[in-house]
Amino acid sequence: EMQLVESGGGLVKPGGSLRLSCAASGFTFSSYSMNWVRQAPGKGLEWLSSISSSSSYIYYADSVKGRFTISRDNAKNSLFLQMNSLRAEDTAVYYCARDRTVAGTPTGMDVWGQGTTVTVSS
Amino acid sequence: AIRITQSPSSLSASTGDRVTITCRASQGITSYLAWYQQTPGKAPELLIYAASTLQSGVPSRFSGSGSGTDFTLTISCLQSEDFATYYCQQYYSYPWTFGQGTKVEIK
Repeated sequence: EMQLVESGGGLVKPGGSLRLSCAASGFTFSSYSMNWVRQAPGKGLEWLSSISSSSSYIYYADSVKGRFTISRDNAKNSLFLQMNSLRAEDTAVYYCARDRTVAGTPTGMDVWGQGTTVTVSS
Repeated sequence: AIRITQSPSSLSASTGDRVTITCRASQGITSYLAWYQQTPGKAPELLIYAASTLQSGVPSRFSGSGSGTDFTLTISCLQSEDFATYYCQQYYSYPWTFGQGTKVEIK
């Protein structure tokens, strides 16, 4: 069974840092691009960042560019999101999600984790 | 960034109804659009990709159409398990963007 499990969320003060992890299993992790998506309480989905299978291509939303860093370790089937300079508006559930890639073209996100909650508050 | 305008933001319907949700992109995205379903407390699930291709395991009462800037998700005969929030998402160019969501509620 394909599975993604996020961890690392918690309560952090404004200006603080957190590192989220996403452990993949049940598929060949190194063959897929991966993403982070978040959802603030009662709000919609916001795509944050993508990383290609070999880490050659990385993209960020403007809202997190310069503060968040996506990375992966294919040997450990793991995806990461380093979050610095956290703000109250970063409070959300953070999901990792796999790119559904067909012939090298992304076609949406077909495997999602259960999410990890980040709360930024003093 | 490409803006996605999704409508309506919510709707009330009864089991057995036909439901239509629309998304409009601020510029052409060919068919690079996906639809997701999210139930409370759960992660989103991919329903449709490439605007009209049903993800494996998704019931055939769900269908998608459109290309360019205008897209539609249709649920032909609403079932109890379909009461959820639906999102469209463009993957034509980064940053990827989602519509604001449509909450389908029981009338």
